[in-house]
Amino acid sequence: ILNVEQSPQSLHVQEGDSTNFTCSFPSSNFYALHWYRWETAKSPEALFVMTLNGDEKKKGRISATLNTKEGYSYLYIKGSQPEDSATYLCAFTRPGGKLIFGQGTELSVKP
Amino acid sequence: NAGVTQTPKFRVLKTGQSMTLLCAQDMNHEYMYWYRQDPGMGLRLIHYSVGEGTTAKGEVPDGYNVSRLKKQNFLLGLESAAPSQTSVYFCASSYPSGAVYNEQFFGPGTRLTVL
Repeated sequence: ILNVEQSPQSLHVQEGDSTNFTCSFPSSNFYALHWYRWETAKSPEALFVMTLNGDEKKKGRISATLNTKEGYSYLYIKGSQPEDSATYLCAFTRPGGKLIFGQGTELSVKP
Repeated sequence: NAGVTQTPKFRVLKTGQSMTLLCAQDMNHEYMYWYRQDPGMGLRLIHYSVGEGTTAKGEVPDGYNVSRLKKQNFLLGLESAAPSQTSVYFCASSYPSGAVYNEQFFGPGTRLTVL
């Protein structure tokens, strides 16, 4: 059984704060690590797909890093805004395999 | 492009009733998936399909059946609903595994309550 763990489970920050959360996954037989952003009452939307150890991806104020040797990825949000409030999901896959999702980190940004 | 659509959006069933959830995608994707989402559990894969006419079990398949008679549609059936099947159901689709590292596109979800 593959286990993908995300921490923290929830996070409450003030507007302007920078924040980060963690996704841990099995380090063996790695293929890809996905980050999804999931707003309430909407569908999950892909943020990043990362495949190489040391990968760094950036989209606006959101960035992610990947360490496949130790099996973790960090998602960073710089200067959080209320519109960043969402659940952030990571998902792990092996070659030819399905996505295995973590339970998500719920972020709430207060004005 | 409508992307991935799901019908219905909401449904309330009584224990023992049956129903079918419909997922449709217009992106010509080969792979389609059904997930359920429960508090604190993330997304769990129920069944999936790698092409028209094929289906396979996921992580939590018991109590559900699926069919993929047409490439664009993936149906999820509950033959005899149970309260444990109260959940939000998401459909997703993707290109074949290996293309864009299996990025999945999700539908808006169906909220099902079983009384």
